[in-house]
Amino acid sequence: KAGVTQTPRYLIKTRGQQVTLSCSPISGHRSVSWYQQTPGQGLQFLFEYFSETQRNKGNFPGRFSGRQFSNSRSEMNVSTLELGDSALYLCASSRTTSGSDTQYFGPGTRLTVL
Amino acid sequence: EDQVTQSPEALRLQEGESSSLNCSYTVSGLRGLFWYRQDPGKGPEFLFTLYSAGEEKEKERLKATLTKKESFLHITAPKPEDSATYLCAVQASGNAGNMLTFGGGTRLMVKP
Repeated sequence: KAGVTQTPRYLIKTRGQQVTLSCSPISGHRSVSWYQQTPGQGLQFLFEYFSETQRNKGNFPGRFSGRQFSNSRSEMNVSTLELGDSALYLCASSRTTSGSDTQYFGPGTRLTVL
Repeated sequence: EDQVTQSPEALRLQEGESSSLNCSYTVSGLRGLFWYRQDPGKGPEFLFTLYSAGEEKEKERLKATLTKKESFLHITAPKPEDSATYLCAVQASGNAGNMLTFGGGTRLMVKP
């Protein structure tokens, strides 16, 4: 059974640009969550989508947005990139959004902002 | 506010030297506590879910336990391939959906 896939795996952008990251969940999983991982802040929750609706949102500025498609694939967008947005962006999928459901992570997208 | 604290931040063990990692948490209500393993440059790999105090789960050399305030990940006779960062996360009943609050992780190094 294929795991969570994320594309691209690596990305280099400059300040002020925008970026779109993609995530394909495990087959049959309808919930997709996004996390940012940095050495200083660790893993922090960005947002969760279920059935194309945002279920929950973390404490990040409005420059961070996402969406989910009818096939459960999800994208996240960061506009007006800042140096501090350099991080590993992780996507996780689970069957439901009921809480206490196991989330399985993808390999991540490493974003570097110059 | 939900909080998760892991200790120690880093741990060096000799192969075969058993030890425990700690995860202390403060949540409004616990739905589940999760342990993950993360290798450098990779996404976290799921290990265990614990739901209520007193619960224990085992997998190979790893055993996870849960109390009302903390969880332990016991590593018995570790091998070099157990070297990784171990992450603890909680799901709180006050949050909608699957949001996880993570601790800072424990970086484990096992020397042959």
